[in-house]
Amino acid sequence: QQQVKQSPQSLIVQKGGISIINCAYENTAFDYFPWYQQFPGKGPALLIAIRPDVSEKKEGRFTISFNKSAKQFSLHIMDSQPGDSATYFCAASVLSGGYQKVTFGTGTKLQVIP
Amino acid sequence: EAEVAQSPRYKITEKSQAVAFWCDPISGHATLYWYRQILGQGPELLVQFQDESVVDDSQLPKDRFSAERLKGVDSTLKIQPAELGDSAMYLCASSAQGNTEAFFGQGTRLTVV
Repeated sequence: QQQVKQSPQSLIVQKGGISIINCAYENTAFDYFPWYQQFPGKGPALLIAIRPDVSEKKEGRFTISFNKSAKQFSLHIMDSQPGDSATYFCAASVLSGGYQKVTFGTGTKLQVIP
Repeated sequence: EAEVAQSPRYKITEKSQAVAFWCDPISGHATLYWYRQILGQGPELLVQFQDESVVDDSQLPKDRFSAERLKGVDSTLKIQPAELGDSAMYLCASSAQGNTEAFFGQGTRLTVV
């Protein structure tokens, strides 16, 4: 119920292309869906997040698409750049017992080649 | 810009020794998390504090790991005795009250030899 499934495990995209990472969840109580970007040797950093009352959120080249009925959400990186090469984690969280419970996906290692 | 501070950044310790990590969350953040991240995997929650109280330690190996947040501000995670399988990145994160983003520190890379 608390699991978040992420795919693909790794992704290679040419510079200028679109990177797409998908996540699926089971717990319909989740109500906050952040994406984190992690560079080697660093902690994850929030990239973009969405709440289930909207179907899409765009920030620069990064877009989250959210499908509540399918219990799926995805990250699209437009015009992918070599500097986007990192590991991306989706997450889902819910307030439970008065505190936030966060579940992370397994991560997608993105490599953008020139 | 406010950030989560962790120390040390790197730690090498021998098997069976004790090791401790420190975290100072963003000021005012009531929720503090300790995660373990094995290379190539996602963060795994070890323990979660709400102020000074533990609200989730279901995945903490309590025979060797302990965590405290005595005044509801900074926190210490201890491992005693360390085992080879404990080699990982230990991440601290904090968040404000409610269901919102968690801010991560740079992590402590632990190597047990």
